[in-house]
Amino acid sequence: DAKTTQPPSMDCAEGRAANLPCNHSTISGNEYVYWYRQIHSQGPQYIIHGLKNNETNEMASLIITEDRKSSTLILPHATLRDTAVYYCIVTGANNLFFGTGTRLTVIP
Amino acid sequence: DAGVIQSPRHEVTEMGQEVTLRCKPISGHDYLFWYRQTMMRGLELLIYFNNNVPIDDSGMPEDRFSAKMPNASFSTLKIQPSEPRDSAVYFCASSFTAQNGYTFGSGTRLTVV
Repeated sequence: DAKTTQPPSMDCAEGRAANLPCNHSTISGNEYVYWYRQIHSQGPQYIIHGLKNNETNEMASLIITEDRKSSTLILPHATLRDTAVYYCIVTGANNLFFGTGTRLTVIP
Repeated sequence: DAGVIQSPRHEVTEMGQEVTLRCKPISGHDYLFWYRQTMMRGLELLIYFNNNVPIDDSGMPEDRFSAKMPNASFSTLKIQPSEPRDSAVYFCASSFTAQNGYTFGSGTRLTVV
């Protein structure tokens, strides 16, 4: 699986868009980009995933660069309940390896 | 659907005792995963099953750990004998396909004293 690099922490004002970056310069052609988050004391929660194209669902948008070496998770209107650790994972295998993620704090 | 159900939510046991953690995946999901989370090591994949068959157990720490999936609706993770360093939160997750997102349970917080 390709290695990912994420900033350890970020802050975002409530109601603003949260843009979480992820670098995965060694990604290979068959590997997907997944995003999960973990709110304190809960199990990780799936957010979104993509291969090449940008994706959007009810939770977030995923923007993948054309060369696929980086991606950005966008929470369009962050709320206090979005405070969590966000994990970017790149894998083509049948399992997920979690790194240390980005701790996002949404500030009132 | 009630989601992935794990039991117990909390377990405190003495060193040397046998511990059994239980997981009920979402109906229809063909993949089941066991993860362990500690402050020091983060989230680690222990083992995963596809259609009740163990596929990759390379993350199982040692022979004291064993996992079974006797049918599509039930899996166990057993530690025998338990040690204080096994203290962690153990998560079970299931997925419909390999590429779909996983649904995690609420976890079992294990404390071995």
